Amino acid sequence: EPEVTQTPSHQVTQMGQEVILRCVPISNHLYFYWYRQILGQKVEFLVSFYNNEISEKSEIFDDQFSVERPDGSNFTLKIRSTKLEDSAMYFCASKASGRGNEQFFGPGTRLTVL
Amino acid sequence: AQTVTQSQPEMSVQEAETVTLSCTYDTSENNYYLFWYKQPPSRQMILVIRQEAYKQQNATENRFSVNFQKAAKSFSLKISDSQLGDTAMYFCAFSLGTASKLTFGTGTRLQVTL
Repeated sequence: EPEVTQTPSHQVTQMGQEVILRCVPISNHLYFYWYRQILGQKVEFLVSFYNNEISEKSEIFDDQFSVERPDGSNFTLKIRSTKLEDSAMYFCASKASGRGNEQFFGPGTRLTVL
Repeated sequence: AQTVTQSQPEMSVQEAETVTLSCTYDTSENNYYLFWYKQPPSRQMILVIRQEAYKQQNATENRFSVNFQKAAKSFSLKISDSQLGDTAMYFCAFSLGTASKLTFGTGTRLQVTL
């Protein structure tokens, strides 16, 4: 069964460093999302992406964040200068076209900022 | 803005018993989607069940069913014949359109015991 994959599973970085989190959505999906979950808290929406552009973003998704679909398969989230409070689990999700809005999630990347 | 409330931070149920997890939401829209996601200790988000607001019939997926009360803005999840593998965090989620972001509740931690 097709699934969303994410790499790396765990990323440790120093405050101020740039990180790129990678996702490979399900191949025929057209809508892509990033969410984050700070430990012990609820899952929060960051950004949605469709037709090679951002369709919606949250207040969390400030100028330090960017997304890109550099080729036909990958979908990346970049944090330019990480802060301690960026430590969280980051989930990528994708959705096919059509009704239902069933989003399929990847296993997540745990980001630890020291 | 839409909000999702899960008032039960933790619940416990014995194996083979039935448990109901509560969820309420707030929206002024008439058409939307509701979901229950399961997050086991591995932290992957897994879709359990979904409901489209225009459908009056409650959704059912094997041992999982919902009680959707549109007027009351309530969307509870019933798990029948609970199994040890059902132990997880359960998140209720709301979405407006077919490609819109998911708004999650704070989750209910369910423990299934012997």
